[in-house]
Amino acid sequence: NAGVMQNPRHLVRRRGQEARLRCSPMKGHSHVYWYRQLPEEGLKFMVYLQKENIIDESGMPKERFSAEFPKEGPSILRIQQVVRGDSAAYFCASSSGREFGELFFGEGSRLTVL
Amino acid sequence: KQEVTQIPAALSVPEGENLVLNCSFTDSAIYNLQWFRQDPGKGLTSLLLIQSSQREQTSGRLNASLDKSSGRSTLYIAASQPGDSATYLCAVRRGDRGSTLGRLYFGRGTQLTVWP
Repeated sequence: NAGVMQNPRHLVRRRGQEARLRCSPMKGHSHVYWYRQLPEEGLKFMVYLQKENIIDESGMPKERFSAEFPKEGPSILRIQQVVRGDSAAYFCASSSGREFGELFFGEGSRLTVL
Repeated sequence: KQEVTQIPAALSVPEGENLVLNCSFTDSAIYNLQWFRQDPGKGLTSLLLIQSSQREQTSGRLNASLDKSSGRSTLYIAASQPGDSATYLCAVRRGDRGSTLGRLYFGRGTQLTVWP
């Protein structure tokens, strides 16, 4: 049973470009969460999605950031017009959504904005 | 707003020592608490999950306790080994059943180094 798969593992973008990060949850999991880890800071919640629905996006910046989890395919975190402050590790986690559901994290995607 | 604090921020010990890592949280209305391990440049590995109704969980050399009323959890590592060197993160999940149920609040972690 494969774990949470994230790609790319490393991404370099110039200021103003777009970054797309992908996350495939564990088999049987329909709940996906995105977290961001800035240098020297803890992990911060960004968004919580179920298939085709955004459940809680209160941790996501209002501009330039968007997330989706379509019926088919991975969840996508999209960052438009990246700035240097977006450089961070972006982690995806998934859970089954059942009560007491444990979160399982991927290896992360490390974005560097030049 | 939930705030999670971990003490100490860093710890360096010789192999074989028993360790205690501390985690405190400001809002005791939690659903569960999870301890993770993070190796440099890697993702998070779940170590132990304690439900709000539980007092402790054990896995091998690891034991985590939870005192919800006082907003504290401890991770006890017995007979530490160099392979235990990593950052240990504590995270709490909110206690309400609404849409924010999925959110974890993380501490900044304790960076542990165990030297031979």
